[in-house]
Amino acid sequence: QVTLRESGPALVKPTQTLTLTCTFSGFSLSTSGMCVSWIRQPPGKALEWLALIDWDDDKAYSTSMKTRLTISKDTSKNQVVFTMTNMDPVDTATYYCARCSPVGDTWYFDYWGQGTLVTVSS
Amino acid sequence: SYELTQPPSVSVSPGQTARITCSGDALPKKYASWYRQKSGQAPVLVIYEDTKRPSGIPERFSGSSSGTVATLTISGAQVEDEADYYCYSTDSSGNHVVFGGGTKLTVL
Repeated sequence: QVTLRESGPALVKPTQTLTLTCTFSGFSLSTSGMCVSWIRQPPGKALEWLALIDWDDDKAYSTSMKTRLTISKDTSKNQVVFTMTNMDPVDTATYYCARCSPVGDTWYFDYWGQGTLVTVSS
Repeated sequence: SYELTQPPSVSVSPGQTARITCSGDALPKKYASWYRQKSGQAPVLVIYEDTKRPSGIPERFSGSSSGTVATLTISGAQVEDEADYYCYSTDSSGNHVVFGGGTKLTVL
């Protein structure tokens, strides 16, 4: 059974760095083809893809946000860590981690965590 | 930047067929996937690689793609299918991956 769970602060101040951890089970990020992605959703708005890391430690970032994002993995702990610098109130959103599977030169997200709401406010 | 365009809302009566479209210039060459998100819940994959249905997703859900338009079809929509639906794909270079703006499906 594949499960993912996001953890991290519910509240961050403007200009601070957000660090979120995705802890997963039921698959290994050392298995060829596996990847984990971060996706966010501001209240009442659409989903936005942010970042991805795969089994080979290859990483991909949203073009518009890549200067602020970092993704890394700890295979032994079954965890993926995501950081976003210089947080702003517009970054208030529910942040999801999801397992992704490659298809062609893109991927799809077959299992999702429940999400964690992060509010940016002073 | 690349965009996928979905209608903001679709409304059908129970038992009718609901069709939700997703338009994007690269769709003739790139796969689309579809996600259902019920209120207050995480998204769920309902279609991948344009037409494939994950296990556990009812057969009334199907996907197709023709030209620059991918379509999610729900045949015999049920009240429980009310949700927001998002398509996802990438641009022709593979450098920009995006979700559509979402479509709110109402079944009543």
